[in-house]
Amino acid sequence: DSGVTQTPKHLITATGQRVTLRCSPRSGDLSVYWYQQSLDQGLQFLIQYYNGEERAKGNILERFSAQQFPDLHSELNLSSLELGDSALYFCASTGTSGTSTDTQYFGPGTRLTVL
Amino acid sequence: DAKTTQPNSMESNEEEPVHLPCNHSTISGTDYIHWYRQLPSQGPEYVIHGLTSNVNNRMASLAIAEDRKSSTLILHRATLRDAAVYYCILRDSNSGYALNFGKGTSLLVTP
Repeated sequence: DSGVTQTPKHLITATGQRVTLRCSPRSGDLSVYWYQQSLDQGLQFLIQYYNGEERAKGNILERFSAQQFPDLHSELNLSSLELGDSALYFCASTGTSGTSTDTQYFGPGTRLTVL
Repeated sequence: DAKTTQPNSMESNEEEPVHLPCNHSTISGTDYIHWYRQLPSQGPEYVIHGLTSNVNNRMASLAIAEDRKSSTLILHRATLRDAAVYYCILRDSNSGYALNFGKGTSLLVTP
């Protein structure tokens, strides 16, 4: 158990809809990273938040957004969903804003299926 | 971003040592080499990291070539629970030190 929790575990929705994925980092960790894992693209970095502020952006679509709240949990919002958004979404947390040596602790993921 | 190259898959017998190679010929002097693994139906987990010297921890050993253009993750005695996808990753500041996973090596362990 990494100490990172994600809800829900599974989500099934229809094209065009909007969903929110939730991540609670390990106790004391200030950074949350979001990743998407699909069959064709593999594991890709989406976005990072550190202590409530956006820190870095990866291959995140404009239809996707995220935020980190004062209690440090984070939410990833996916809108106007397409079939290709079906994937596993992982969050990871670290205690720093990002270094070459820190360890990222991953949650169990949310499996999103868009029908 | 500096890239890594790994074999798509490898196979090992249980209780045998496993050497998982990684090439990173464009590595910069400040890039750390990290290894993560992803067991079936789980999120990735940290295995080990290093800069220049070889490293050991309870999970594995990391052997880094003198020119740093390649490295090898060593599992000393593979168990069935070590069957996973192993990712060799270079950390840099360009993306906030996010992990750039690549395709990894799928390790099959047979009894």
